[in-house]
Amino acid sequence: EAGVVQSPRYKIIEKKQPVAFWCNPISGHNTLYWYRQNLGQGPELLIRYENEEAVDDSQLPKDRFSAERLKGVDSTLKIQPAELGDSAVYLCASSLGIGMGDTEAFFGQGTRLTVV
Amino acid sequence: AQTVTQSQPEMSVQEAETVTLSCTYDTSESDYYLFWYKQPPSRQMILVIRQEAYKQQNATENRFSVNFQKAAKSFSLKISDSQLGDAAMYFCGLGSNYKLTFGKGTLLTVNP
Repeated sequence: EAGVVQSPRYKIIEKKQPVAFWCNPISGHNTLYWYRQNLGQGPELLIRYENEEAVDDSQLPKDRFSAERLKGVDSTLKIQPAELGDSAVYLCASSLGIGMGDTEAFFGQGTRLTVV
Repeated sequence: AQTVTQSQPEMSVQEAETVTLSCTYDTSESDYYLFWYKQPPSRQMILVIRQEAYKQQNATENRFSVNFQKAAKSFSLKISDSQLGDAAMYFCGLGSNYKLTFGKGTLLTVNP
């Protein structure tokens, strides 16, 4: 069974440019998470989806970040415009989302973003 | 709010020896789960072990075991017979109501 797939794996952009990340969760997983991981830190939640609904986006900087999960499957995270401080690894994860125990999340390999 | 604290930024162990990574947490929820994830240089977070808070028995997975002290809100990971492939960042995680919160991680080095 395929795991969580993210693309691209690496992205280098100039500040003020837009960038987008794509995530394909494990088939059948209702819950999808986007995390940001700064260097030397643990992942921090940006947004969580239950199917196509964003149920927790309290940590998403909405002035420049946006996300969507059309049809409750794939998801895209966008930054526009990017700032130097956005340099980080962006991780996507998914879980079954059926019971409370399904906070057990399966992660993709992440996208390393460098803003120059 | 829930928090996870890992007080050891770095640890090292000799191959075949045992090492324990520390983690404390805080939550107001009565139902929650605790996890240890491993993150090698490939960046992919891999689940090592999980513990249901309502279970008193400590979870074990082969060479990995936890010491779960619910009253003290402590959740340490013991790695026995350490192998070179165990070298990675280890993150302690707390999950409740679909919210998964991580600590800052412990970098484990395994010396041959």
